[in-house]
Amino acid sequence: RKEVEQDPGPFNVPEGATVAFNCTYSNSASQSFFWYRQDCRKEPKLLMSVYSSGNEDGRFTAQLNRASQYISLLIRDSKLSDSATYLCVVPEGAGSYQLTFGKGTKLSVIP
Amino acid sequence: NAGVTQTPKFRVLKTGQSMTLLCAQDMNHEYMYWYRQDPGMGLRLIHYSVGEGTTAKGEVPDGYNVSRLKKQNFLLGLESAAPSQTSVYFCASSYFGLAKGNEQFFGPGTRLTVL
Repeated sequence: RKEVEQDPGPFNVPEGATVAFNCTYSNSASQSFFWYRQDCRKEPKLLMSVYSSGNEDGRFTAQLNRASQYISLLIRDSKLSDSATYLCVVPEGAGSYQLTFGKGTKLSVIP
Repeated sequence: NAGVTQTPKFRVLKTGQSMTLLCAQDMNHEYMYWYRQDPGMGLRLIHYSVGEGTTAKGEVPDGYNVSRLKKQNFLLGLESAAPSQTSVYFCASSYFGLAKGNEQFFGPGTRLTVL
């Protein structure tokens, strides 16, 4: 099974802080990568896709280092509503529809 | 659009009982998946389907069967439930086509307890 490893967490940060999550993957054939967000007792939902070196969407930035097989997610100006578990997700292979999910990193943003 | 729906939301079974979980999607997606999520294990693929009438095994298929008789529905069956199958089950679907990427849309989950 292809492996996806994430920071174990939990991360407890104050509102307004910047926090970064790391993820390493073993399948060098993967071309695209994803960060999903999962709220407590809810289903995972796509947060960001990463197809090249990186992607930015508002306060969220995802970066990819193919040589090191490493993905990161940076959240700036953390909000209480960012509290959730963040899942690093890697396709089984190039163009594959099967995804391997990391175990997730839990973030709690504290007032 | 309702997206992906799952029935039931909760269920308690006794060991040896059988049940079927129903997943339905209204996005005309070709691909559908069943996952289980256990504490500390992450999401693991049970079975998946690449189109109507086709199914395939995922990472943890033992003890489960599936059917995809209609494109919009994907059923997961437990013939003889065991306590090890206590979990949260998520159904997901995705569009087939590289332009759409690999985003999977998830249902709200079914919480199953086997006593």
